[in-house]
Amino acid sequence: DAGVTQSPTHLIKTRGQQVTLRCSPKSGHDTVSWYQQALGQGPQFIFQYYEEEERQRGNFPDRFSGHQFPNYSSELNVNALLLGDSALYLCASRSSGSLETQYFGPGTRLLVL
Amino acid sequence: SQQGEEDPQALSIQEGENATMNCSYKTSINNLQWYRQNSGRGLVHLILIRSNEREKHSGRLRVTLDTSKKSSSLLITASRAADTASYFCATDDSGNTPLVFGKGTRLSVIA
Repeated sequence: DAGVTQSPTHLIKTRGQQVTLRCSPKSGHDTVSWYQQALGQGPQFIFQYYEEEERQRGNFPDRFSGHQFPNYSSELNVNALLLGDSALYLCASRSSGSLETQYFGPGTRLLVL
Repeated sequence: SQQGEEDPQALSIQEGENATMNCSYKTSINNLQWYRQNSGRGLVHLILIRSNEREKHSGRLRVTLDTSKKSSSLLITASRAADTASYFCATDDSGNTPLVFGKGTRLSVIA
């Protein structure tokens, strides 16, 4: 049973570019959340998707957008990249019908030059 | 913004010693969880303690929760070099709200 998977593992972009990160949730999970973790900090919540809709959102600008597909996988898109967007982006999944905790993927490390 | 703070920010101990990390939070919670992160990679869930619980054990891990002081502690007994990692506490105020993390404690266990 595969856990949460993310791609790519590493990515280098330049300022102003756009990036798409991908996440496949753990089998049986239907809710996906995205977190940004800057170096030396704890993860910060970006948004959560359930039933292909954004259900909750953290304090992130509209440059951060997402999508959830019918198979529950998800994408995180960031437009007009800034140097400060350099971080580890973590995807977490859970089952909406369970009190079980979230499971995190290995993350995508994004470097913006 | 961060919910709370872990302390200490960094901890260095010898293999075999116990490691204690503390977490304080600001608002009322439903659950408090501890996660481990190796070398800036994904988070591994260690243990969850509910707001109506005071202590929980899992193997070499012992977690306490004091809701009156809005604090929790994680004790790792008989530490090993493989325990070297960053440890984060995270809280939620209901089953479906996002996790709010602290800044973490960096633990180094020296063989």
